[in-house]
Amino acid sequence: AQKITQTQPGMFVQEKEAVTLDCTYDTSDQSYGLFWYKQPSSGEMIFLIYQGSYDEQNATEGRYSLNFQKARKSANLVISASQLGDSAMYFCAMRGKGWAGSYQLTFGKGTKLSVIP
Amino acid sequence: EAQVTQNPRYLITVTGKKLTVTCSQNMNHEYMSWYRQDPGLGLRQIYYSMNVEVTDKGDVPEGYKVSRKEKRNFPLILESPSPNQTSLYFCASRLQGGAGANVLTFGAGSRLTVL
Repeated sequence: AQKITQTQPGMFVQEKEAVTLDCTYDTSDQSYGLFWYKQPSSGEMIFLIYQGSYDEQNATEGRYSLNFQKARKSANLVISASQLGDSAMYFCAMRGKGWAGSYQLTFGKGTKLSVIP
Repeated sequence: EAQVTQNPRYLITVTGKKLTVTCSQNMNHEYMSWYRQDPGLGLRQIYYSMNVEVTDKGDVPEGYKVSRKEKRNFPLILESPSPNQTSLYFCASRLQGGAGANVLTFGAGSRLTVL
């Protein structure tokens, strides 16, 4: 069974500073993928970044980077130069294997990030 | 615009009154899925579908039904809603293979309250 753990229910960060949101995972699959989604107060789910288990380099998308440490089974999200619009709930998720090549997505419980002016 | 559309966005109903939440995507995605989001629990998968006429249970399927008669539509049916089904529901879709299979596109969410 897969499991995603986000140990920080809430975090605060000063505007323009960097922040790291923690995510650890557990899986017996050799091939898997890790995702981060953002959920602003309006409720929609916004895809941020993806890291495959065989990707050699950490994924980056603009101000978002994923600090992937395979041996430690961690996939932390780093947001550089925080902006007020970054205030939101952030979910870490993992895909595992399913039949016929499909996969299901398992989500963590989320971290609420608040950016302080 | 490529999107997943859910309706209704907000609904208050009473126990036992059947309801359907519709979901439609215009991206020709094979895979579609329903999640519910509850405080402190994150998102949990209810049902998913890998293609037309192919559906399977997720982690919390009790009390829900789905159908996939057309590729673009994946309605969620609550035959006899109960208060413990009060939640925020998300429909999502993605391609089945290729690079696009790594991105799940979500609808805007449907907030359901069962009294």
